[in-house]
Amino acid sequence: KAGVTQTPRYLIKTRGQQVTLSCSPISGHRSVSWYQQTPGQGLQFLFEYFSETQRNKGNFPGRFSGRQFSNSRSEMNVSTLELGDSALYLCASTGGGRAANEQFFGPGTRLTVL
Amino acid sequence: GESVGLHLPTLSVQEGDNSIINCAYSNSASDYFIWYKQESGKGPQFIIDIRSNMDKRQGQRVTVLLNKTVKHLSLQIAATQPGDSAVYFCAENRAGGTSYGKLTFGQGTILTVHP
Repeated sequence: KAGVTQTPRYLIKTRGQQVTLSCSPISGHRSVSWYQQTPGQGLQFLFEYFSETQRNKGNFPGRFSGRQFSNSRSEMNVSTLELGDSALYLCASTGGGRAANEQFFGPGTRLTVL
Repeated sequence: GESVGLHLPTLSVQEGDNSIINCAYSNSASDYFIWYKQESGKGPQFIIDIRSNMDKRQGQRVTVLLNKTVKHLSLQIAATQPGDSAVYFCAENRAGGTSYGKLTFGQGTILTVHP
């Protein structure tokens, strides 16, 4: 079974621009969560989508948004980029049953804002 | 203001030794805990999990211990190998609608295994 995939793996943007990151979950997984990882704050939860609906949201400004498609693929968007948005953005997908909470992570997208 | 980088705890061991990585969690309502391993340039990789109705769970070369009284979690790695060198994170989740898909991560511990 293929793992979680994220594209692109690396991005360089300038302040004020916007960016869209993509995540394809493990086949059959319907929940996708997004996290931001920085040296200063560690791993922080952004939001979670299930069946095309946002079910949970972390403490990030409205510049951070996301969506999920009918095939469970998810995108996140960051508008009006700031230097502090430079980070590794990780997505994770979750299966059902007893392993409902077990999140499988992708390799991440490394975003650098100049 | 300027953010301060996390100063991750470090653990340095010799190959073949047993390693113990500790984690304190904050939410007494958390009922599910996971240990992840993250190697440089990669996403976190699942190691082992435990639910709050258990106090010990064993996997291959790894054991997780949960002490709910003091809100403490530990990961024991037997016969540590150089390939175990990585950053290890504990994560917690609370059951219920407000916590869907949300894992709260600890700061991480850097494990270095010397041959």
